[in-house]
Amino acid sequence: AQKVTQAQTEISVVEKEDVTLDCVYETRDTTYYLFWYKQPPSGELVFLIRRNSFDEQNEISGRYSWNFQKSTSSFNFTITASQVVDSAVYFCALSAAGGTSYGKLTFGQGTILTVHP
Amino acid sequence: SAVISQKPSRDICQRGTSLTIQCQVDSQVTMMFWYRQQPGQSLTLIATANQGSEATYESGFVIDKFPISRPNLTFSTLTVSNMSPEDSSIYLCSVPGLAGVGETQYFGPGTRLLVL
Repeated sequence: AQKVTQAQTEISVVEKEDVTLDCVYETRDTTYYLFWYKQPPSGELVFLIRRNSFDEQNEISGRYSWNFQKSTSSFNFTITASQVVDSAVYFCALSAAGGTSYGKLTFGQGTILTVHP
Repeated sequence: SAVISQKPSRDICQRGTSLTIQCQVDSQVTMMFWYRQQPGQSLTLIATANQGSEATYESGFVIDKFPISRPNLTFSTLTVSNMSPEDSSIYLCSVPGLAGVGETQYFGPGTRLLVL
């Protein structure tokens, strides 16, 4: 069975601080995908990134960066110079790359990020 | 990216009634998924809507409670039957990105359901 754990339930920072959201996963699949989604107060789910299990390169997109470490089964998300608009719930998710669970997402419990001005 | 719309966006219903939620995608997709997000909780997969065959339900979800239709490759409905206050949730449909199944998943805007 797959499992995703986001140990931080809530994080509160002041604007311009850097913040890292942790994600640890469990899976028996040899190939899989990892995702991060943002859910602002309006409720829609915004796709941020998808990472293949065979690609351990870190990725940077503007103020966002992701650190994937297969050895520790972690896929952490860092926001640099946080802004008030970053306030949202962030979900880490896992999907098998094949088999009967193909395309099905297992979500972590989410981390509520609040950025204060 | 896929453009996904859902109807209704929100509804308030009385217990014992049923509500059908529609999901429309702007392109043909093989697989569509329905998720539930209970208040303050994470998302849980309800079922996979397969075109031309019955939906596949996850553990804890049954067809009698959540019947699903998939008449074509761009449309699906989820019905929440005989509702109780515990069914108050956001219901979201999801489809894979055009790059291929499982590689990227996009979500509709969600249907906020409140059952009184």
